[in-house]
Amino acid sequence: EAGVAQSPRYKIIEKRQSVAFWCNPISGHATLYWYQQILGQGPKLLIQFQNNGVVDDSQLPKDRFSAERLKGVDSTLKIQPAKLEDSAVYLCASSRQRGVNEQYFGPGTRLTVT
Amino acid sequence: AQRVTQPEKLLSVFKGAPVELKCNYSYSGSPELFWYVQYSRQRLQLLLRHISRESIKGFTADLNKGETSFHLKKPFAQEEDSAMYYCALEGGGNKLTFGTGTQLKVEL
Repeated sequence: EAGVAQSPRYKIIEKRQSVAFWCNPISGHATLYWYQQILGQGPKLLIQFQNNGVVDDSQLPKDRFSAERLKGVDSTLKIQPAKLEDSAVYLCASSRQRGVNEQYFGPGTRLTVT
Repeated sequence: AQRVTQPEKLLSVFKGAPVELKCNYSYSGSPELFWYVQYSRQRLQLLLRHISRESIKGFTADLNKGETSFHLKKPFAQEEDSAMYYCALEGGGNKLTFGTGTQLKVEL
């Protein structure tokens, strides 16, 4: 099966600009996750979708970050406006359904905010 | 609150030597624990989970609830084991909390 796809792979922007990331999960996977991984740290969950509904967004900085998963398939994560501390790798993952299931990760998008 | 601690940022061993990557957790309930691995230029992927009680690529991990630990072990390290290893805890709703990771370097 095709893996989780993400684009772009790299993005460099200036602070206060906006940026969007795209994720296409594995076909048939109901649950989609966005993680933020800052250099030297483990991935941190930002938001979790079950189909097109939000299950958990408790760690999403909602004043600047937003995410949507229209039609329960692809998802976009947006940052507006970006700050220097948003520099990180943004990982998308998917799993078959809620419950304890293996999460499959995409290659990530490396964001640098200057 | 749930927390995962991996005390070593880097672990360097010689080929053929035993490996133990440490992981301690803090969680009030009954946790599900995982080890994820990221090889150079590859995606983060699941290595093993404690509920499966399986050995993957020669690695095993035992959940010790008394010591709140889930250390990853392999009796004889191979060069291809060099990678970044993350311990993760699932405390409900398939929400994973990751540790900071340990870089394993196997030297010839």
